[in-house]
Amino acid sequence: NAGVTQTPKFQVLKTGQSMTLQCAQDMNHEYMSWYRQDPGMGLRLIHYSVGAGITDQGEVPNGYNVSRSTTEDFPLRLLSAAPSQTSVYFCASRSGAGYGYTFGSGTRLTVV
Amino acid sequence: GENVEQHPSTLSVQEGDSAVIKCTYSDSASNYFPWYKQELGKRPQLIIDIRSNVGEKKDQRIAVTLNKTAKHFSLHITETQPEDSAVYFCAAMGSNYQLIWGAGTKLIIKP
Repeated sequence: NAGVTQTPKFQVLKTGQSMTLQCAQDMNHEYMSWYRQDPGMGLRLIHYSVGAGITDQGEVPNGYNVSRSTTEDFPLRLLSAAPSQTSVYFCASRSGAGYGYTFGSGTRLTVV
Repeated sequence: GENVEQHPSTLSVQEGDSAVIKCTYSDSASNYFPWYKQELGKRPQLIIDIRSNVGEKKDQRIAVTLNKTAKHFSLHITETQPEDSAVYFCAAMGSNYQLIWGAGTKLIIKP
């Protein structure tokens, strides 16, 4: 039981490049979310999903896309990287609305 | 929409003393309130949570209290130890079933 697995752990991108951050969970959780955390700050919700085929925007969705084709996977796509997207990205999952999240170990992204 | 305020932003206590972090929320329909601990460079980890049908919950040195009437909840850590040093986040379940997060409290345990 690996929990929530994120890849890569570190990434450096040039402005304008695109990439996909991978997230997979093996706990059969319905709910999955992507957060970004800037230095010394709290967690801001980018996108979330309440089940396969269902996604919605969080508070900071601009510049990011998501899809949820399976229960296990919830990739986050950066369409055209900008320096303002330099952050640590966390994927999280939970089994239902009234339960706590299990977080992945994070992806530290730098855009130059 | 839902808003969660967390205080203080930094808390420094002597090792062995107690620490209390407080959060207030705005949506009276919120019914789930978790607390997370995040050590430097690590992922947030759930340490305790409470549902709105319960007023208090304890787990060893950690307890959470909930006052639904006043719309606030608190984290209590007793007999603090150096390994308690971290940033603590509170959260409340919003109307779209997503968590609304507090801004975090940096807890410093002085030896």
